[in-house]
Amino acid sequence: GAVVSQHPSWVICKSGTSVKIECRSLDFQATTMFWYRQFPKQSLMLMATSNEGSKATYEQGVEKDKFLINHASLTLSTLTVTSAHPEDSSFYICSAGGGREETQYFGPGTRLLVL
Amino acid sequence: AQSVSQHNHHVILSEAASLELGCNYSYGGTVNLFWYVQYPGQHLQLLLKYFSGDPLVKGIKGFEAEFIKSKFSFNLRKPSVQWSDTAEYFCAVKGTGRRALTFGSGTRLQVQP
Repeated sequence: GAVVSQHPSWVICKSGTSVKIECRSLDFQATTMFWYRQFPKQSLMLMATSNEGSKATYEQGVEKDKFLINHASLTLSTLTVTSAHPEDSSFYICSAGGGREETQYFGPGTRLLVL
Repeated sequence: AQSVSQHNHHVILSEAASLELGCNYSYGGTVNLFWYVQYPGQHLQLLLKYFSGDPLVKGIKGFEAEFIKSKFSFNLRKPSVQWSDTAEYFCAVKGTGRRALTFGSGTRLQVQP
């Protein structure tokens, strides 16, 4: 099956700093990637849809200036959490759509802890 | 808007017991349906999916799900669970015309040896 990687797998940062998370589709091209956030023992909540070569589409309630998304190529999307605060601590998961059937393949996630 | 309901939040079974996890969705049009599993400390993996055709779909590891259009349901089943099936199970739906998935709240399955 298709493989999606994320880097880093976990990060600890100080409040006020910015953190960049990379999402790569390793063996297929993805014109669309998705960023989710998962709180402990809860489901995945869609944050935004990342479109290659165009602006991301954010879900209601997600601050686009805080969560910057760039989809510069067909295999890479980045999520930058700007001026991170403790409430941004969470598990961030990306997925990439692939193939005719539009199945999404998920990355392993990035655990962010903001101190 | 589309939504997904998983009514069983936490299920505890003994090994060899049969499993059925409920999933109901709300959407006015054609949908694609998925079940994902998240083992402890691991990422989401696709168990099975339904796009069209036979409403009874078989997935990996002996899991199957049945799409019942009239009931807006896509329940997951396994005739005999194993301890290694202990995980979180998520039902997800994607309506045609929408690219992202909407997930249910998840069901935590605990299989006791």
